[in-house]
Parts: sequence; structure tokens; C-alpha cells
Amino acid sequence: QQQVKQSPQSLIVQKGGISIINCAYENTAFDYFPWYQQFPGKGPALLIAIRPDVSEKKEGRFTISFNKSAKQFSLHIMDSQPGDSATYFCAASTGYSTLTFGKGTMLLVSP
Amino acid sequence: DAGITQSPRHKVTETGTPVTLRCHQTENHRYMYWYRQDPGHGLRLIHYSYGVKDTDKGEVSDGYSVSRSKTEDFLLTLESATSSQTSVYFCAIRDSVSEKYFGPGTRLTVT
Repeated sequence: QQQVKQSPQSLIVQKGGISIINCAYENTAFDYFPWYQQFPGKGPALLIAIRPDVSEKKEGRFTISFNKSAKQFSLHIMDSQPGDSATYFCAASTGYSTLTFGKGTMLLVSP
Repeated sequence: DAGITQSPRHKVTETGTPVTLRCHQTENHRYMYWYRQDPGHGLRLIHYSYGVKDTDKGEVSDGYSVSRSKTEDFLLTLESATSSQTSVYFCAIRDSVSEKYFGPGTRLTVT
């Protein structure tokens, strides 16, 4: 049973637009929610992470929005650029336990 | 890649042969992980280690074994490789605040 559901599977956004990727989780004990970015041929790299004591975290053009009651969190990429084209993974964990990953979203930002 | 190397980076092997993948870190972190990445499945945890000689199974551990005799090295062994183990394998380490860093990956093809 998948504990973290990620959508959409793929996404095409025009340059300058907003990319939005959503994740939903089931385990209410999760308390750490990172997003990873992966370019072809590379390992995933931590992009931004949030803990449930805040509803939003922003780092540059990347924002995580967190809705604890709905058990959902999302990644917003503002002013999307072709260089943002990559696969994005959401994940969740409890304390220092292992991460549970979503299945990933392939983002293509068209010039 | 946060001081993580994986070897080999690419390997082609035949069904039934043993294969060992190596992960080496220079960060002296306690936790190390092995994941496999397959299209449509995202990243799935195979095994992890929480110290020298301390390991535990992940969600897809069947057919795999691990060993950790030194802090810096975590080995993944396929005792008798099968075609279903064709995948990209990533090693990861975790620092003290739950941030995970991934290695560059090993592409394994079992023919």
C-alpha cells in the first residue's frame, strides 16, 4: 500500500509559469516532508523540506505548502525555467525513520 | 554529491551470477541506505545501516544482502542476479538533521 501518493506523473509548463506538484500521505505520524530534484543520469538532490509546525516554506522560487488536516503537501515552482526540467519526488518520514517516496513527477518547462 | 561515491557506475552481468555494489562515503555519517529506482516505482528502499555491522531490511530486500564492516563503506550484494534486479541503484547517507544525500547511482543490467 503506497503511503505517499504523488500527482501528476508528468507536467508540461511554459517558461515563466507556475509548476505545481501535489502529494498526499496516510500516516499521521509523518513529521518530515522533503522534496527531491533529479536530473537525468544523476542521483536525487534535496531541494526543500518542511516540518508540520509550519504551513509554508519558501526558498527562492520554490515553495512547499503544507496542509496537515488534509494530509497533503505540494511543491510550487514560480517563474519556471527550462533548467527546472527534471523529475521531482516528494517523500515523508517519522523522526529518524526511513523515507517513503512518492513515485515522481517528470516536469518539462518549455522555452 | 556530498562525499558519496558508488562503484561500479555501470555493470552488465548474466543471470545467476553474484554481483556486489559498493558505496563509499567521506562524511562519517552513521546512517547509509541502498535504494533501487525503476520507472513507475520511484525510489524503493532495499536495506539500510545504522552503524557498523548494524543493518535492517527495507521494503524490497528479497534477493539482496548488505554488509557494513567500516563506517565509510556499505556493500550491496545480489547473491544470484535475476533480470528483475535490472535497475538503477542509489546509495544515500543521512546527516544528523534527517537530510539525505544520494550518490551518483549504479546502472545494473542483468541479461
